[in-house]
Amino acid sequence: SQTIHQWPATLVQPVGSPLSLECTVEGTSNPNLYWYRQAAGRGLQLLFYSVGIGQISSEVPQNLSASRPQDRQFILSSKKLLLSDSGFYLCAWSYGLDQPQHFGDGTRLSIL
Amino acid sequence: QQQVKQSPQSLIVQKGGIPIINCAYENTAFDYFPWYQQFPGKGPALLIAIRPDVSEKKEGRFTISFNKSAKQFSLHIMDSQPGDSATYFCAVIILTGGGNKLTFGTGTQLKVEL
Repeated sequence: SQTIHQWPATLVQPVGSPLSLECTVEGTSNPNLYWYRQAAGRGLQLLFYSVGIGQISSEVPQNLSASRPQDRQFILSSKKLLLSDSGFYLCAWSYGLDQPQHFGDGTRLSIL
Repeated sequence: QQQVKQSPQSLIVQKGGIPIINCAYENTAFDYFPWYQQFPGKGPALLIAIRPDVSEKKEGRFTISFNKSAKQFSLHIMDSQPGDSATYFCAVIILTGGGNKLTFGTGTQLKVEL
């Protein structure tokens, strides 16, 4: 069966520091991968998605970037974190862009 | 622009009640409508989905009703329990320049009280 792993579960970072969140999927090949951000009590904002290695689509302009160095690995990065980058970051995968998405348990990011 | 509108934003019901969450959409690429359930501190999980060759689908205490002409679908939770307290998201598939994409509603925070 397929599983998705995100780490770390929680992270506290100072303003201006770099960021790297990692997501890996097991049990499938060539998945579509997604990064979402969720503010407290709010909906899901799609940040990036990828349909293959090295292919990244950005949904909203922001201080973050994404990379997909391997088929089942998706990384969310920032060179300099802003206070507004705080939130709950979720990674997800699917077989296709119009197929059900399966989420990891997220990373709670707090910027001080 | 918002492609799917979800309501209410929050909902409180008594144990045993039947909360109803509604979603309305504008345009879809495919007729496939999933619902997700999210507990605090966890990622959303696929709960139930409908393809509207039928107008209603039941899985346990969860029922999706679909009205294609009105472009609306709703989630009903029968005999709701405190363990159903969670945030619920509907979703639709939108045709975009980059291909078909699953787009989520804004979510409904449900609280089931004893």
